[in-house]
Amino acid sequence: KAGVTQTPRYLIKTRGQQVTLSCSPISGHRSVSWYQQTPGQGLQFLFEYFSETQRNKGNFPGRFSGRQFSNSRSEMNVSTLELGDSALYLCASRSAGGLTDTQYFGPGTRLTVL
Amino acid sequence: GEDVEQSLFLSVREGDSSVINCTYTDSSSTYLYWYKQEPGAGLQLLTYIFSNMDMKQDQRLTVLLNKKDKHLSLRIADTQTGDSAIYFCAEAYSSASKIIFGSGTRLSIRP
Repeated sequence: KAGVTQTPRYLIKTRGQQVTLSCSPISGHRSVSWYQQTPGQGLQFLFEYFSETQRNKGNFPGRFSGRQFSNSRSEMNVSTLELGDSALYLCASRSAGGLTDTQYFGPGTRLTVL
Repeated sequence: GEDVEQSLFLSVREGDSSVINCTYTDSSSTYLYWYKQEPGAGLQLLTYIFSNMDMKQDQRLTVLLNKKDKHLSLRIADTQTGDSAIYFCAEAYSSASKIIFGSGTRLSIRP
């Protein structure tokens, strides 16, 4: 069974641009969560999607948005990029979204904003 | 409030036991997790414990939960070089689907 895949793995953008990151969950998994990891702030929850609906949201500005498609694939969009958005963005999937369902993480997309 | 705290670094000798500690603030936490992150990789769930349990053992891993003090620990017996990684403690609530992570403890192994 293939793991969680994220594309692209590395991305370089400039301030003011926008970016879209993609996450393909493990086959059969309906829940996809996104996290931002930075040296200063650690791992912070962005949002979770379950069956195409946003189920929970962290404390990030509206520039961060996401969506989930009917095949459970998810995209995350960041508009008007700032230098502080440079981070490793991790996606995680789990089967039914229950808290005891094991959450599997992808390798991440490393975004650098210049 | 939601806050999970861990010490940033731990160094142990190969073959010794490692104990990584974590404190959390929200007593309504239902599940507590330990994740491992190796360089350049995503997070791997090591183990989790329900908040109504005191201890869970899984091979070389032992999780202890002191709910009164809101303290969670992960003990790795017979620490090996392959255990070098960052270990994250995390908490979740049954009423919410988000998981709150600690800052991570970097475990390094001395020969």
